[in-house]
Amino acid sequence: EADIYQTPRYLVIGTGKKITLECSQTMGHDKMYWYQQDPGMELHLIHYSYGVNSTEKGDLSSESTVSRIRTEHFPLTLESARPSHTSQYLCASSEYAGDTGELFFGEGSRLTVL
Amino acid sequence: GDSVTQMEGPVTLSEEAFLTINCTYTATGYPSLFWYVQYPGEGLQLLLKATKADDKGSNKGFEATYRKETTSFHLEKGSVQVSDSAVYFCALHQAGTALIFGKGTTLSVSS
Repeated sequence: EADIYQTPRYLVIGTGKKITLECSQTMGHDKMYWYQQDPGMELHLIHYSYGVNSTEKGDLSSESTVSRIRTEHFPLTLESARPSHTSQYLCASSEYAGDTGELFFGEGSRLTVL
Repeated sequence: GDSVTQMEGPVTLSEEAFLTINCTYTATGYPSLFWYVQYPGEGLQLLLKATKADDKGSNKGFEATYRKETTSFHLEKGSVQVSDSAVYFCALHQAGTALIFGKGTTLSVSS
């Protein structure tokens, strides 16, 4: 059973609001990721981190930002939400050592911006 | 660059039917291959994997064989159940790089 948690599961907010999606894992994984999932279910990597104080942008350009101050915590922030940010956001983590490619996913945060 | 192509859905089957979801890949090295499954309202979870050519991954009645000669990793199940309704993702991994996912295939099984 994966120990990676995302909050909130569902969020409906108005345009212009600042939001933070939380992601925490208790497995001690060094690598963490944020994916955006479009309505067609395709996954797009938007941010990743290979350890504390390490963050990189993924394949899909995103107006969101991330931070990695603690190993277990990888929050994603939108400073000013817009309807185009409406999506499902999935957080994942993996081990650094071994680099097996196996990811553990949270249950997702579904964001709706009105 | 490396890529994964999987059959488009949705795939609609009756209970106990045979399932195949095709997946092919392009890679310069010797990747590991995965199938992930996403049940409604949940995140993805690993279904099965294979790390080298001719390996067969299996789990929950699903199987996939790593075929280097055809660069394929097709997912099969002999008899699907309603509870198998989900989105299935084929994925590829090479050391030092991020996992590469296919676009996902939605499976709907009716009783």
